[in-house]
Amino acid sequence: GAGVSQTPSNKVTEKGKYVELRCDPISGHTALYWYRQSLGQGPEFLIYFQGTGAADDSGLPNDRFFAVRPEGSVSTLKIQRTERGDSAVYLCASSLTGVDSPLHFGNGTRLTVT
Amino acid sequence: AQRVTQPEKLLSVFKGAPVELKCNYSYSGSPELFWYVQYSRQRLQLLLRHISRESIKGFTADLNKGETSFHLKKPFAQEEDSAMYYCALRGGGSNYKLTFGKGTLLTVNP
Repeated sequence: GAGVSQTPSNKVTEKGKYVELRCDPISGHTALYWYRQSLGQGPEFLIYFQGTGAADDSGLPNDRFFAVRPEGSVSTLKIQRTERGDSAVYLCASSLTGVDSPLHFGNGTRLTVT
Repeated sequence: AQRVTQPEKLLSVFKGAPVELKCNYSYSGSPELFWYVQYSRQRLQLLLRHISRESIKGFTADLNKGETSFHLKKPFAQEEDSAMYYCALRGGGSNYKLTFGKGTLLTVNP
């Protein structure tokens, strides 16, 4: 595709529910990232995939958050038992190799937990 | 630990005026510095990176290791420069991960 695609663009859910956010990276990009951007803040790192494996998940805030990339392409960020504090824009980015290559961002998914 | 500070949340200038968006960083090694820009209703995109030493859309930024700064400059601002600007750092130890500042909203008035 032309760029990183994220779906849905907006998601409203009730506190306590489970959500999945999808990211389709640029074809051929081996590295994939998830970032979270809260209101008035810059993007904050959540997790980095190199291929199918999570090379660094140190940014995930707690065990309610989990992400997968089973075939080394599409990734899904999963949030269990959502809380109002999880409300943010979730950004996905991909890069050709990860190391030393620029990141290309998607448009993000705006998650609102009511 | 790596940290990026953008001291100005908002910056407003008139068209044709010079503009400087400030960025300071904290990192013990040799960092790689970037500026990302987000225009209204568009995705975050790379504007420039210090290792390229290039000028994009009239913007330049010089890495000053003594002052740990990477300020973004343009001599004559244009209305289409109005956007959110983020400074970001990538450290040598984890050279895949970007750390972002909180951003500066630049408004160029006619």
